[in-house]
Amino acid sequence: QKEVEQDPGPLSVPEGAIVSLNCTYSNSAFQYFMWYRQYSRKGPELLMYTYSSGNKEDGRFTAQVDKSSKYISLFIRDSQPSDSATYLCASPLISYNTDKLIFGTGTRLQVFP
Amino acid sequence: DTGVSQNPRHKITKRGQNVTFRCDPISEHNRLYWYRQTLGQGPEFLTYFQNEAQLEKSRLLSDRFSAERPKGSFSTLEIQRTEQGDSAMYLCASSFGPNQPQHFGDGTRLSIL
Repeated sequence: QKEVEQDPGPLSVPEGAIVSLNCTYSNSAFQYFMWYRQYSRKGPELLMYTYSSGNKEDGRFTAQVDKSSKYISLFIRDSQPSDSATYLCASPLISYNTDKLIFGTGTRLQVFP
Repeated sequence: DTGVSQNPRHKITKRGQNVTFRCDPISEHNRLYWYRQTLGQGPEFLTYFQNEAQLEKSRLLSDRFSAERPKGSFSTLEIQRTEQGDSAMYLCASSFGPNQPQHFGDGTRLSIL
């Protein structure tokens, strides 16, 4: 079992839809959670960074963390064609030496006009 | 803040050749990470530097791989005797400190003929 599981999609939605992207994780040591957006042939771009359970909102994006069920979500409101990308969830595995990120496989999102 | 810079963006080489990639992190970021990403997968951790010290290496980093960060600024990743399986996107990230967000460059895409 991977430490971070993510449905690879693709997820195809019409413009203006509310998008829900989800990840589950198995390692109770994970404390921080990130969502990255990655366009084709580009590096991951940080969207959201959360620590505690609950919701964090930034513009059209809302990140939700439920540590009791080890479930994290990213909601995109009023989705736009420019949101078409791969969305990666990640958590740092923190040890004495490092805080390397453990990623899910990514969910490919396509928003059509 | 010019972001994380990686060069070259794309490298095509024949099997058996040596290749070297360069990463320039965000200035004043003392942590630097290398990841590898293959098609349809999330990035996987390779190695990590705090200033000039290489503090962790993944099992993915065979003895053909070597990374340096000689003055605690830019870093290089060298692959000797490249193999087909080395074809991937090599991503560099940097952060300001522990548990701080990691910011990625646009990667170097390696293609082995």
